[in-house]
Amino acid sequence: LAKTTQPISMDSYEGQEVNITCSHNNIATNDYITWYQQFPSQGPRFIIQGYKTKVTNEVASLFIPADRKSSTLSLPRVSLSDTAVYYCLVGVPYSGAGSYQLTFGKGTKLSVIP
Amino acid sequence: EAGVTQFPSHSVIEKGQTVTLRCDPISGHDNLYWYRRVMGKEIKFLLHFVKESKQDESGMPNNRFLAERTGGTYSTLKVQPAELEDSGVYFCASSQGRGVNTEAFFGQGTRLTVV
Repeated sequence: LAKTTQPISMDSYEGQEVNITCSHNNIATNDYITWYQQFPSQGPRFIIQGYKTKVTNEVASLFIPADRKSSTLSLPRVSLSDTAVYYCLVGVPYSGAGSYQLTFGKGTKLSVIP
Repeated sequence: EAGVTQFPSHSVIEKGQTVTLRCDPISGHDNLYWYRRVMGKEIKFLLHFVKESKQDESGMPNNRFLAERTGGTYSTLKVQPAELEDSGVYFCASSQGRGVNTEAFFGQGTRLTVV
């Protein structure tokens, strides 16, 4: 499994754009990059997933350079409610056969300040 | 649509007692997973059910832990007898479908405290 490295924590003011970068130097050809968000006292929640280039949804954007050794989660104009831990996961999407498990690292604790 | 529901939200038991955690997945989700995070550690996989069958239980820490999913609906995770190091938050998740963007939907977790 590819190991991921993220900042331990980040602080940001409300309204700013936040970029969280994850390093995954040993990413395999079939691996996808997935980000989960976890609020206090809740379970993780899927945010976004990508393989290469840029992916955007209503919550965030995910930027993946050509070498795929890192990825950046971008949260536009954060609010206080975006305060959470953000996990970067690398692995193969579930094919419906065999086992499927998510490997969580320590995550990045984002604190949004008024 | 109801999400993944876990019960209880918090349980405090004495060392040596038995505790049973319950998870109700999203209706129609064949895949059900158990994860846990012990204090200060990362979230770790415990096991994966496909319907009522255990697909992968490689993450179960020892034979004091027993997971069941009779009928392929809700699941229980029993810890017997509980030890101090079992304290942590136990998450259940479920998913349906496969391939890119397959989401695992997590419950709010059960906080287990063994004293």
